[in-house]
Amino acid sequence: GQNIDQPTEMTATEGAIVQINCTYQTSGFNGLFWYQQHAGEAPTFLSYNVLDGLEEKGRFSSFLSRSKGYSYLLLKELQMKDSASYLCAAPTAGTALIFGKGTTLSVSS
Amino acid sequence: GAVVSQHPSWVICKSGTSVKIECRSLDFQATTMFWYRQFPKQSLMLMATSNEGSKATYEQGVEKDKFLINHASLTLSTLTVTSAHPEDSSFYICSARDPMTNGYTFGSGTRLTVV
Repeated sequence: GQNIDQPTEMTATEGAIVQINCTYQTSGFNGLFWYQQHAGEAPTFLSYNVLDGLEEKGRFSSFLSRSKGYSYLLLKELQMKDSASYLCAAPTAGTALIFGKGTTLSVSS
Repeated sequence: GAVVSQHPSWVICKSGTSVKIECRSLDFQATTMFWYRQFPKQSLMLMATSNEGSKATYEQGVEKDKFLINHASLTLSTLTVTSAHPEDSSFYICSARDPMTNGYTFGSGTRLTVV
């Protein structure tokens, strides 16, 4: 089976740094994805990790530890527009993406 | 990059009627597409995997006779919600895997409201 856990909600202030954690259990491993989703819109791709370590992409970074079944998304220099849901996801053996429940991030001024 | 077009963006229908949602891959061929449903304040739940030229694979708990999936060509998959009820009101999103990057591309979603 497949199980993906992440916190339900997080809050932060503009300019701060926030880390959203994700733990996963998958039958087989084919990488880990992070998506951002604003209400009423489709998810947009943020990052993909298949090897251990940190991948940095502008204000967003993603980390993976395969041995621990753990990933995190790091958002720096938070902006109001970063208020959204952040979804951790992993492909199944059948290649469909399975999503965690999502973390709703609220950024305040 | 790969683009998936989904129509309609929103639809309102009466209870008991059927609604068809289309998902097209515009610049690539998709032998497999995925259909998700998302209720308010919840995450995306995989409903089924659509396979070109063969039957769809449905997730546990999803009624295949209610949610008809047809994938007749390499660029088009359709989801028909039959005999819709208010509890079927949801956000439906399709997805396909980009063969060039192996990433997943999503349609823009369809907001279905059954009254």
